[in-house]
Amino acid sequence: EIVMTQSPATLSVSPGERATLSCRASQSVSSNLAWYQQKLGQAPRLLIYDASIRATGIPARFSGSGSGTEFTLTISSLQSEDFAVYYCQHYNNWPAFGGGTKVEIK
Amino acid sequence: EVQLLESGGGLVQPGGSLRLSCAASGFTFSNYAINWVRQAPGKGLEWVSAISGGGISTYYADSVKGRFTISRDNSKNTVYLKMNSLRAEDTAVYYCAKDKVPTAIGDAFDIWGQGTMVTVSS
Repeated sequence: EIVMTQSPATLSVSPGERATLSCRASQSVSSNLAWYQQKLGQAPRLLIYDASIRATGIPARFSGSGSGTEFTLTISSLQSEDFAVYYCQHYNNWPAFGGGTKVEIK
Repeated sequence: EVQLLESGGGLVQPGGSLRLSCAASGFTFSNYAINWVRQAPGKGLEWVSAISGGGISTYYADSVKGRFTISRDNSKNTVYLKMNSLRAEDTAVYYCAKDKVPTAIGDAFDIWGQGTMVTVSS
């Protein structure tokens, strides 16, 4: 079983600043890694798949990088609508999600 | 518009059963694997189960194996999750989610339903 660990659990950022979220896999998942955004009371939304490809309609300020066991989601300039919880997920075998990073207003 | 719509949630006693449905529209349903993902109140996401497009292959998380059964009726564009021997720890919002790539199983989830709440309590 591959375990996904996200850090930090909470990230306090001011609007307009850059946010960097980390995700680590307990063993290599190649590039089979996705990022999701979830706002309160809503279903998750796919942001990034295959570690670095933006999903349809996702703004360019969201970018993903990494491969193997270390991954990063970067939001280049936080907008008000970006404050949410972000989850990474591997799909190398049976899917598994990380515990999430809450991005809150500083 | 590509859409998934869950139904069937509710309050059930421990040890009881419930069947969730996930109705799809806007895409060639039989080409895509469908997953169930749950989220306990205030907690993160947990993958529960998946079924291939043709319904031949099914997969389960260890936490539900032997208690939950996933199935699909491609003539009705619907996936089901039959949940037996329910426990308090099964209390969660249950989402269905579609694999992004057709024919494969094991992919990112590009479309999610709005979720249905299951509460297991006496």
